[in-house]
Amino acid sequence: KQEVTQIPAALSVPEGENLVLNCSFTDSAIYNLQWFRQDPGKGLTSLLLIQSSQREQTSGRLNASLDKSSGRSTLYIAASQPGDSATYLCAVSVYTGNQFYFGTGTSLTVIP
Amino acid sequence: KAGVTQTPRYLIKTRGQQVTLSCSPISGHRSVSWYQQTPGQGLQFLFEYFSETQRNKGNFPGRFSGRQFSNSRSEMNVSTLELGDSALYLCASSLAIALAGYNEQFFGPGTRLTVL
Repeated sequence: KQEVTQIPAALSVPEGENLVLNCSFTDSAIYNLQWFRQDPGKGLTSLLLIQSSQREQTSGRLNASLDKSSGRSTLYIAASQPGDSATYLCAVSVYTGNQFYFGTGTSLTVIP
Repeated sequence: KAGVTQTPRYLIKTRGQQVTLSCSPISGHRSVSWYQQTPGQGLQFLFEYFSETQRNKGNFPGRFSGRQFSNSRSEMNVSTLELGDSALYLCASSLAIALAGYNEQFFGPGTRLTVL
């Protein structure tokens, strides 16, 4: 069974810092990996989707990388802002359906 | 384009009752997945429907069931509610099967179910 781990569980940084969130998965036979953010009590907002054939994706201040062979992905956030404060979740799909396995998330606080 | 909508947003039920939650996917999306989110277990996959057929199922008891209609709208039902069913239930829609890049998931705001 696919296990997804996210480290650290919580992170607090001053505004303006660059930061990296980590995601690891046990089964490298993934189809896609997706990063989300979740604000308290809300649903998930899709940030980036990395296809299994890709190594990275970029959107604005966000850059996600994927290394299937080592079972790792990182989400890089440049010049962090207080509005980036949220829980960040990574998820992987492993079959030809849409079953995603989620990590437990990293709770990010950006201090003004 | 309208996002994924879920109704109701909040529900309070008592043990033993049953509940039905509704999800309307993004227009054109044929796949709908359901997830349960709790503080202790995180996000867990319940099931996925594609073209009115259940395609994948997670490790949940038979009290949890779902269906999908011809317009891709989906409902999930929980019978004989237990205290442990209290959770945020999230619905996600995607365009198609997991061809590379075509299974990006878009989530609704969720239904907060409280079982007393």
